[in-house]
Amino acid sequence: DVKVTQSSRYLVKRTGEKVFLECVQDMDHENMFWYRQDPGLGLRLIYFSYDVKMKEKGDIPEGYSVSREKKERFSLILESASTNQTSMYLCASSVRTNTEAFFGQGTRLTVV
Amino acid sequence: QQQVKQSPQSLIVQKGGISIINCAYENTAFDYFPWYQQFPGKGPALLIAIRPDVSEKKEGRFTISFNKSAKQFSLHIMDSQPGDSATYFCAASIGGYQKVTFGIGTKLQVIP
Repeated sequence: DVKVTQSSRYLVKRTGEKVFLECVQDMDHENMFWYRQDPGLGLRLIYFSYDVKMKEKGDIPEGYSVSREKKERFSLILESASTNQTSMYLCASSVRTNTEAFFGQGTRLTVV
Repeated sequence: QQQVKQSPQSLIVQKGGISIINCAYENTAFDYFPWYQQFPGKGPALLIAIRPDVSEKKEGRFTISFNKSAKQFSLHIMDSQPGDSATYFCAASIGGYQKVTFGIGTKLQVIP
């Protein structure tokens, strides 16, 4: 089974802190994604990566950056956390030629 | 601007009934329309998907109906069961998985 693992289920951070959310997949997938999920807004794409060291902006990249130094790991970085970044963050991966995405269990981030 | 509009946001159905969730899209370049199912505390998982060259796809109790001219597609869950209680997301993408656009989600509750 494909496994996408997010490092934390719950995080509480203070405003202004630098926050790292980590995601690891074990199926050698080329594509990796970061979404945020908010009630009434669905899933919105923050960033995605289709190869090591490659990244592309999604629909809401402001306030976020990403890093993909190894194929299996995709990190989401909040340079200076703000309260409006309180949300559920979901990582996903997929094979380049396949259309199914596999999601992690999510990280619920609260910024206080 | 919501590229994939999903309704209703919540739905209560009696056990054995039919659950219907509707989605509409604007971008005629979309060529892949997946539905994802998300249980509480879990990430979304692919349920069923369709391409615009077919008008209907059925997998067990789940059916996607697709109307290309109206730019609409819907999920029907026949003989709904309490175990189907989850949040359902419709989605659309161009040329595969990259940059999938999700609807806002429908929280389905199937009551005994």
